[in-house]
Amino acid sequence: EVQLLESGGGLVQPGGSLSLSCVASGFNFNNVAMNWVRQAPGKGLEWVSSISHRGDNSFYADVVKGRFTISRDNSKNTLYLEMNDLRAEDTALYFCAKARQQLVWRDCFDSWGQGTLVSVSS
Amino acid sequence: EIVLTQSPATLSLSPGERATLSCRASQSISSFLAWYQQKPGQVPRLLIYDASNRATGIPDRFSGGGSGTDFTLSISSLEPEDFAVYYCQQRSSWPLTFGGGTKVEIK
Repeated sequence: EVQLLESGGGLVQPGGSLSLSCVASGFNFNNVAMNWVRQAPGKGLEWVSSISHRGDNSFYADVVKGRFTISRDNSKNTLYLEMNDLRAEDTALYFCAKARQQLVWRDCFDSWGQGTLVSVSS
Repeated sequence: EIVLTQSPATLSLSPGERATLSCRASQSISSFLAWYQQKPGQVPRLLIYDASNRATGIPDRFSGGGSGTDFTLSISSLEPEDFAVYYCQQRSSWPLTFGGGTKVEIK
């Protein structure tokens, strides 16, 4: 059974930083691109970032480019999102999501974690 | 950026009725479209990938169609558990994008 467990969310002041983690199990993490998707309270889904299976290619939404960094440690089956210069509009539930196909970078998401809540407020 | 426009925003139907949801892309995305279902307080669930393929465990009352810029998700006969919000998502090009969602509510 695929499991994705996010952690690291919390309350942070505008301009602050936060690091999210997602521990994966139940599938071959080394062969699958991983993603972060967020959902602001009462709003729709927004793709944030993706990383290739080897971690050598990453992609970002324009609204987070230059502020967020996605990375992964395949030896630990863990995905990360480093978030800097946080803004009120970054407040959302952040989901870790697994690409459906192996070795495909740009894909849909067939498994999702429960999410970790990031709140940016003074 | 490819913009996905979903319509209608809200669909009010009764159990047993057929639901037809639309997703229109701002440019051709071939068949690289997925559909998700999200119920309140739950994570999104993949229903359809590549426009018309049901994901694992999805009942056959759900079907997807279309290609290019116009896509539909159909639910042949609504069950009580189908009342939810539905999102489309394209994987044709970066950035990946989602539609704004269609809420299917009980009439």
